Amino acid sequence: EPEVTQTPSHQVTQMGQEVILRCVPISNHLYFYWYRQILGQKVEFLVSFYNNEISEKSEIFDDQFSVERPDGSNFTLKIRSTKLEDSAMYFCASSDPRGSNQPQHFGDGTRLSIL
Amino acid sequence: GEDVEQSLFLSVREGDSSVINCTYTDSSSTYLYWYKQEPGAGLQLLTYIFSNMDMKQDQRLTVLLNKKDKHLSLRIADTQTGDSAIYFCAEGYPRSASKIIFGSGTRLSIRP
Repeated sequence: EPEVTQTPSHQVTQMGQEVILRCVPISNHLYFYWYRQILGQKVEFLVSFYNNEISEKSEIFDDQFSVERPDGSNFTLKIRSTKLEDSAMYFCASSDPRGSNQPQHFGDGTRLSIL
Repeated sequence: GEDVEQSLFLSVREGDSSVINCTYTDSSSTYLYWYKQEPGAGLQLLTYIFSNMDMKQDQRLTVLLNKKDKHLSLRIADTQTGDSAIYFCAEGYPRSASKIIFGSGTRLSIRP
């Protein structure tokens, strides 16, 4: 069964550094998402992306965050200047364009640790 | 507002049925989901139900939706040790590329 893949599985970064989290969505999906889960807390929506632009973003997704689809297969989340509170598990998801609200399929996540 | 609530823990004996409950607040949601998260792993879509349905069955899984009370449940028949995980209830909205709102997750543990 096709799946969403995320790399790396674990990223350790110094505070203030830039980090890029990578995702390869399911190949025929056109809607893409990022969520995060701080340890012990709920999974929170960050941003959705369709047709090369952001569809919706949450309050968490401030100017330090950006997303990009640099080619036909990758979808990236960049955090420009990381803070300690950015430490979390980041999940990428994608969904099928046929019909509205097709279920979102998630990757295994990237654990981001900020030192 | 948007909120999804679940109890945090559930312990059942192997072979019994597990019932995980969830309540949600936003009546405009159109899809309701159950995701499973095993330790160190991602979010696996288990099943989902349209808001115009009352019940959906998929092998050992039964989802019941009471739209009037905004109550969703997941029943796992013949619970096995491999069912140990965190189960997240989530709601989705009519607009395409729209966010999913997750509950806190229910940790299911299985007793021998």
